[in-house]
Amino acid sequence: GAVVSQHPSWVICKSGTSVKIECRSLDFQATTMFWYRQFPKQSLMLMATSNEGSKATYEQGVEKDKFLINHASLTLSTLTVTSAHPEDSSFYICSARIGTKNLAKNIQYFGAGTRLSVL
Amino acid sequence: RKEVEQDPGPFNVPEGATVAFNCTYSNSASQSFFWYRQDCRKEPKLLMSVYSSGNEDGRFTAQLNRASQYISLLIRDSKLSDSATYLCVVNMNTGGFKTIFGAGTRLFVKA
Repeated sequence: GAVVSQHPSWVICKSGTSVKIECRSLDFQATTMFWYRQFPKQSLMLMATSNEGSKATYEQGVEKDKFLINHASLTLSTLTVTSAHPEDSSFYICSARIGTKNLAKNIQYFGAGTRLSVL
Repeated sequence: RKEVEQDPGPFNVPEGATVAFNCTYSNSASQSFFWYRQDCRKEPKLLMSVYSSGNEDGRFTAQLNRASQYISLLIRDSKLSDSATYLCVVNMNTGGFKTIFGAGTRLFVKA
């Protein structure tokens, strides 16, 4: 399958700092990437859809000024958690979609995730 | 009603058992279907796509029933390493393309 690299895998930071997470598609071009958050024993929650060269589309309830997404190239999307607080502590996972002409058959491949702990 | 619903689990089975997971989806505009596996504190990984004719990959068999809006995953001869959460995933086009993940079913295979 396709390879998606996510970095860093684990971050511990002080409250009030900003944290940047990178998501790269290593062997394919991804016009669309997704950012998810997952709390322990809960399902994935889609935060936003990141489209190369345009603004991200955020899901309801997700603050776009809090979670800044930049998709500057076909292989890189970044998520910045600004002024992080303890309640932002979670597992953040990105995915990239391999596109075919038939959008419905698109498969998402996931990065390994970033575990964020805000003290 | 959730757009994608799965058996709540957890399933606790002995090694060698056969176990089946069910998933239902509410939107008839759903177009493609997948099963992912997620290990604890890891990212989801694609297990298999689900086709109308049904498909098999080793010990795993996936089936789709569009009339009943139902997807299944059958695991035969369960191994300890099959212990994970299994996610049912549906792509749908409802005025915009989106992917919906089920909440997952937890499987524990015990020796």
